[in-house]
Amino acid sequence: DARVTQTPRDKVTEMGQEVTMRCQPILGHNTVFWYRQTMMQGLELLAYFRNRAPLDDSGMPKDRFSAEMPDATLATLKIQPSEPRDSAVYFCASGLAVGSEQYFGPGTRLTVT
Amino acid sequence: GDSVTQMEGPVTLSEEAFLTINCTYTATGYPSLFWYVQYPGEGLQLLLKATKADDKGSNKGFEATYRKETTSFHLEKGSVQVSDSAVYFCALSEGLFSGGYNKLIFGAGTRLAVHP
Repeated sequence: DARVTQTPRDKVTEMGQEVTMRCQPILGHNTVFWYRQTMMQGLELLAYFRNRAPLDDSGMPKDRFSAEMPDATLATLKIQPSEPRDSAVYFCASGLAVGSEQYFGPGTRLTVT
Repeated sequence: GDSVTQMEGPVTLSEEAFLTINCTYTATGYPSLFWYVQYPGEGLQLLLKATKADDKGSNKGFEATYRKETTSFHLEKGSVQVSDSAVYFCALSEGLFSGGYNKLIFGAGTRLAVHP
C-alpha cells in the first residue's frame, strides 16, 4: 500500500530556529505539493513541483521559506528563521498526472514558541 | 480563476440521518472533481472522484454526481455513522486543456459531527 511519508510528525522549536520538514512522495508520482493548514486560514498551497522542477511557489513567504526536491524520492520544506505565526500543520501530497487525484501524507505539526 | 464553494459547517446530524454537503464550482475547461475527507489528527484522504459530466463517484456509502449544468458536485450519504465525523473538502483539478499541472483547488471544508 503506497503512501506519502513525512518526517518529523511533530516539531516544537523556538522562534528564530531553522526547521526542515521532509517528504517522500509515492514512487512514480511526478508532482509534489506542499500545503499548510491552520484553523484561521484553512488549507493553503505553498509550492509545487513537477518532475522535480518548481512550478509555483507563490504561496510561500519567500524571505523565510524554501522548498526543494534534491531527488525524486525526497522533497524538503525549510523555514529559516521560524516565527510563531508559522505554527501549523504542513502537508505534503503527490500525484501522477493532470486531472488525477493527490495523495496526502500524515502531516508535520509545527509549533514555534 | 477557478474556485470551489462549499456549505459552511458545522453540520450536526444524528446517526442514520441523511447527509448532503453542497459544493459548487467555477472553472474553465473540463475539471475533474473530488471529495476528500480529513479525520482528526490525520491528513486528507481521497473519498471519491468524478472526471467528466454526469459521472457518479461513490465510496463507503458516499456518492456525488458531476453536474455540469448546475456546476455542482454535492456529497450525499443515505445513513451516516458516528465514524463519519470528520471534515469534508470538495476540490477540483484543472482539466487537461487548461494547461494545469494537477493543482487542486480546495473548498474551505465542512465539518460534520454525527451523534449517537
